[in-house]
Amino acid sequence: NAGVTQTPKFQVLKTGQSMTLQCAQDMNHNSMYWYRQDPGMGLRLIYYSASEGTTDKGEVPNGYNVSRLNKREFSLRLESAAPSQTSVYFCASSAWDRSTEAFFGQGTRLTVV
Amino acid sequence: AQRVTQPEKLLSVFKGAPVELKCNYSYSGSPELFWYVQYSRQRLQLLLRHISRESIKGFTADLNKGETSFHLKKPFAQEEDSAMYYCALRRGDAGNNRKLIWGLGTSLAVNP
Repeated sequence: NAGVTQTPKFQVLKTGQSMTLQCAQDMNHNSMYWYRQDPGMGLRLIYYSASEGTTDKGEVPNGYNVSRLNKREFSLRLESAAPSQTSVYFCASSAWDRSTEAFFGQGTRLTVV
Repeated sequence: AQRVTQPEKLLSVFKGAPVELKCNYSYSGSPELFWYVQYSRQRLQLLLRHISRESIKGFTADLNKGETSFHLKKPFAQEEDSAMYYCALRRGDAGNNRKLIWGLGTSLAVNP
């Protein structure tokens, strides 16, 4: 059981380049999330998708777009990368049951130069 | 607005000493509370949830609604407990909105 899989694990971009971070889960979860993790800032929610076909902004959506391709996949796109987007990105998923936990991917370490 | 506060960014203890990682929350309804742990260069994973009232790896956490706290405790810290710990809250009445509200995290360092 793979859980939540993110690709790539590492990426270096030049300012202005675009890229898409991929996330897939095999737990049949309804909800999926994208977070960024920065030193001293904890986890900040970028976008989430409560269910297939819906997406909503989180705390820090500017500069990002998402696509909930199907129930399994939730991608995060940086259209024009900026150094401020250097971070570690985590994808997560959860079911709708009360008190269910969120399962996280292993993270993508992105550096924008 | 809901908020989770972890007052300590860094907590350093010696092996065998008791440890308490503090978590306070603000939410007027019925919260669901969790502790997640992230070991070095690994993914976040659930450590405890308040509804289970369980002990995992020697850690316990009790929800105190009067003090709006969910502190994480372990009587004897081990070096392998060194990690980043996050407290998280979810609204109990949120229906299908399963978003978690996160504290900023506490980095626990257990020294030999």
